[in-house]
Amino acid sequence: EAGVTQSPTHLIKTRGQQATLRCSPISGHTSVYWYQQALGLGLQFLLWYDEGEERNRGNFPPRFSGRQFPNYSSELNVNALELEDSALYLCASSLGPGTGFGQGTRLTVV
Amino acid sequence: QKEVEQDPGPLSVPEGAIVSLNCTYSNSAFQYFMWYRQYSRKGPELLMYTYSSGNKEDGRFTAQVDKSSKYISLFIRDSQPSDSATYLCAMRWNTGFQKLVFGTGTRLLVSP
Repeated sequence: EAGVTQSPTHLIKTRGQQATLRCSPISGHTSVYWYQQALGLGLQFLLWYDEGEERNRGNFPPRFSGRQFPNYSSELNVNALELEDSALYLCASSLGPGTGFGQGTRLTVV
Repeated sequence: QKEVEQDPGPLSVPEGAIVSLNCTYSNSAFQYFMWYRQYSRKGPELLMYTYSSGNKEDGRFTAQVDKSSKYISLFIRDSQPSDSATYLCAMRWNTGFQKLVFGTGTRLLVSP
């Protein structure tokens, strides 16, 4: 069974630009969770998508947004990038108590 | 006060030692408790999860949950250099919203 897959692995953007990160959940999973892991900080919950709808969001500004497609894959968009957005962005899907994560996209804002 | 507290370490032990990793939490509504291992620049890998209180064993790993004390532990027996990683505790409510609340992680170094 393929796990959660994310692309790209690395992304370098300039301050003020937009970044788009992609995630495919485990086959059969309808939910996608996005987390941010900034250097020295734990994983912080960003967004939850289920059945194509945004169900909940964490304490992040509106320039963090996304969507979920009919095949349950998801896209995270970060607009007006700031230096402090540099982090590992992780995607997870779950159909039970154990949540599996992808390998993440490392976003660097310069 | 953070919802989940975890000592960041680093915790340095010799190969073969028994390692004890711990987290405390403040929200008594948490029902699921998990431990993840994260190697540098990789995504977290689920090691174990436990529902409510009790112990769970898987090979060299044992997870313990004490809900009365709001305290969870992960024990690693016969530690190996390959166990060197950051260990993250996480927990969540028993609802359809499966958001995980994480500790900041403990960095473990096992020397040969």
